[in-house]
Amino acid sequence: DAEITQSPRHKITETGRQVTLACHQTWNHNNMFWYRQDLGHGLRLIHYSYGVQDTNKGEVSDGYSVSRSNTEDLPLTLESAASSQTSVYFCAQDRDRVRNEQFFGPGTRLTVL
Amino acid sequence: KQEVTQIPAALSVPEGENLVLNCSFTDSAIYNLQWFRQDPGKGLTSLLLIQSSQREQTSGRLNASLDKSSGRSTLYIAASQPGDSATYLCAVTDNYGQNFVFGPGTRLSVLP
Repeated sequence: DAEITQSPRHKITETGRQVTLACHQTWNHNNMFWYRQDLGHGLRLIHYSYGVQDTNKGEVSDGYSVSRSNTEDLPLTLESAASSQTSVYFCAQDRDRVRNEQFFGPGTRLTVL
Repeated sequence: KQEVTQIPAALSVPEGENLVLNCSFTDSAIYNLQWFRQDPGKGLTSLLLIQSSQREQTSGRLNASLDKSSGRSTLYIAASQPGDSATYLCAVTDNYGQNFVFGPGTRLSVLP
C-alpha cells in the first residue's frame, strides 16, 4: 500500500551540527511538504515541492533547505541546527491534483541541545 | 494573511453525546478545507475534505460543513466514543490549492 515514511523517528543533536531528515513516499506523486509542529504555534509550513528540481519556501523556511532529485524523496536539511529548531517535523503529500487532500507521515521528533 | 482559529481549545464529554467542533478562517478565498485527527505522539490522519464548491461531507459518524462566505466550518461527531479522544485540526488552502494553513486544534476527551 502506498505510504509516507520518515527517518529517523527520533533524533538528538547538538547546536551547530548539520542534520538531515528523510521523507520517502511510494505513491509516486509530485507534491510533497514539510511542516513543523510546536506547542503554541500549531503546524507551520517549512518548504514544499511540486516535482523534481522544484522547491519552494513556506512560512518558516529560514535555517532549512530541501532538494528534490527524484519523485519519491524530499530530504529536509538543517544547515546549522539551533535550539529553536527543536520540534516535531512532519512530511506530507497530496495524492490528488484536483482535491489537494494531504496525507502525513508519522513525524520525526528532533531535539537540539 | 490567512488565519485559522478553532473553538473550543479543549472539550470533555461523556460517551454517547453528539458534539460540534468549530473552525473559523479569515479569508474566504479558499480552495478547500480539510479536517484531521491527531493522536498523541502520532501523525495526522485525514478525516474529511470539503472543496470550496461543496457544502458538506460525511464519513460514518462524522459530518463536516462549510460556509465559505462566513468563514466557518463545523465538524459534527455523532454518538461519541472513547476512541474518538484525540486532537482535531482543520486546515485551509488558498485559492491556488497551495499554502495550507492549520488551526491550533481542539483537544477532545470522551469519557466512558
